[in-house]
Amino acid sequence: EAGVAQSPRYKIIEKRQSVAFWCNPISGHATLYWYQQILGQGPKLLIQFQNNGVVDDSQLPKDRFSAERLKGVDSTLKIQPAKLEDSAVYLCASSLDGSNTGELFFGEGSRLTVL
Amino acid sequence: SQQGEEDPQALSIQEGENATMNCSYKTSINNLQWYRQNSGRGLVHLILIRSNEREKHSGRLRVTLDTSKKSSSLLITASRAADTASYFCATDEVDYKLSFGAGTTVTVRA
Repeated sequence: EAGVAQSPRYKIIEKRQSVAFWCNPISGHATLYWYQQILGQGPKLLIQFQNNGVVDDSQLPKDRFSAERLKGVDSTLKIQPAKLEDSAVYLCASSLDGSNTGELFFGEGSRLTVL
Repeated sequence: SQQGEEDPQALSIQEGENATMNCSYKTSINNLQWYRQNSGRGLVHLILIRSNEREKHSGRLRVTLDTSKKSSSLLITASRAADTASYFCATDEVDYKLSFGAGTTVTVRA
């Protein structure tokens, strides 16, 4: 079974530039999550999708971050314009039913460095 | 915001020794999960324990849950170099959404 795919693995940009990350979840998984993990910290949920609808985006900085999940499969997370404090690893995860009582499957992450 | 808190922040042990780390949380939960993260990689699910369970085993892993003390422990027995990683607990305290702690970094010395 293929895992959660993310790209790019690494991205370096200057502040005020934009960046986009892509995620392809495990086939059949209804729920998709984007987490931000700053160095030395645990992952923090940015947004959760159930199929192609948003379940929770309370911690997404909506003035600069946006995310979409077209057709309930792939998802993109965009940052525009980027700030220095956005330097982090962006982890995508998926789960079968999104009941929050089951296992999350994570991708390898996209490491963003903002200079 | 992060809910569960792991203790200690870092742990260094000799290969073959046991490693124990703890997780404390603040409010009632439905379940608690433990994940492992190797350096530069994504998180991997290790074990899930439900609020009505007290202990669970999976290979060399043993997890306990004490809901009266709002705490859980993860024990790795007979540690190996490959166990070097960060370990995170995750709880569904707040609105049933999964939240991760800051993690315990385990280093297993050969």
